[in-house]
Amino acid sequence: GAVVSQHPSWVICKSGTSVKIECRSLDFQATTMFWYRQFPKQSLMLMATSNEGSKATYEQGVEKDKFLINHASLTLSTLTVTSAHPEDSSFYICSASNLAGDAYEQYFGPGTRLTVT
Amino acid sequence: AQSVTQLGSHVSVSEGALVLLRCNYSSSVPPYLFWYVQYPNQGLQLLLKYTSAATLVKGINGFEAEFKKSETSFHLTKPSAHMSDAAEYFCAVRKSTGTASKLTFGTGTRLQVTL
Repeated sequence: GAVVSQHPSWVICKSGTSVKIECRSLDFQATTMFWYRQFPKQSLMLMATSNEGSKATYEQGVEKDKFLINHASLTLSTLTVTSAHPEDSSFYICSASNLAGDAYEQYFGPGTRLTVT
Repeated sequence: AQSVTQLGSHVSVSEGALVLLRCNYSSSVPPYLFWYVQYPNQGLQLLLKYTSAATLVKGINGFEAEFKKSETSFHLTKPSAHMSDAAEYFCAVRKSTGTASKLTFGTGTRLQVTL
């Protein structure tokens, strides 16, 4: 149980275009989802926290108009990188938490590698 | 605020040798502590977690960690390394109060296992 998927697993896009990444909890209801960014050989940096049905809370320094997060249902959150530029190239990882279950734990998706050319 | 420090960005051990990955934490409230493993181009897999129950926590793949409040440490150990243990390991901390609060990760330790 507690499986989180991400789609796509990798994407290459041209500079100036927008890219949407989906994060789904497959077998549980995720009241809270988190989006992380990971640069090569570095740790995970939290970008934002989203609760179903409400606006995401962004970490300091993360542009909310650049990284649009939607958490429209208890099983799906999306991250849209708008007007992507090469510096947005990174590994994006989502995680999901279920308050009804083990509230201590975040279940991580497999990640999405974004390359902007 | 919470933070974790992982000493040693790279650790190399021989197959069959003891694995010791260090993690020290700082937290203003009693913490919950986690160890995750990440294989190349993959997400994070939970190895084990401390949530204020037993201080010696056993996880998957033969790993264990001991919470030592006096030392503010949560070091990860495995008695005998296997080639398949080669990966990146992250220590993480979160507050024990509140629900689904955010994790703060350490900078990671890359474990290399040699023959």
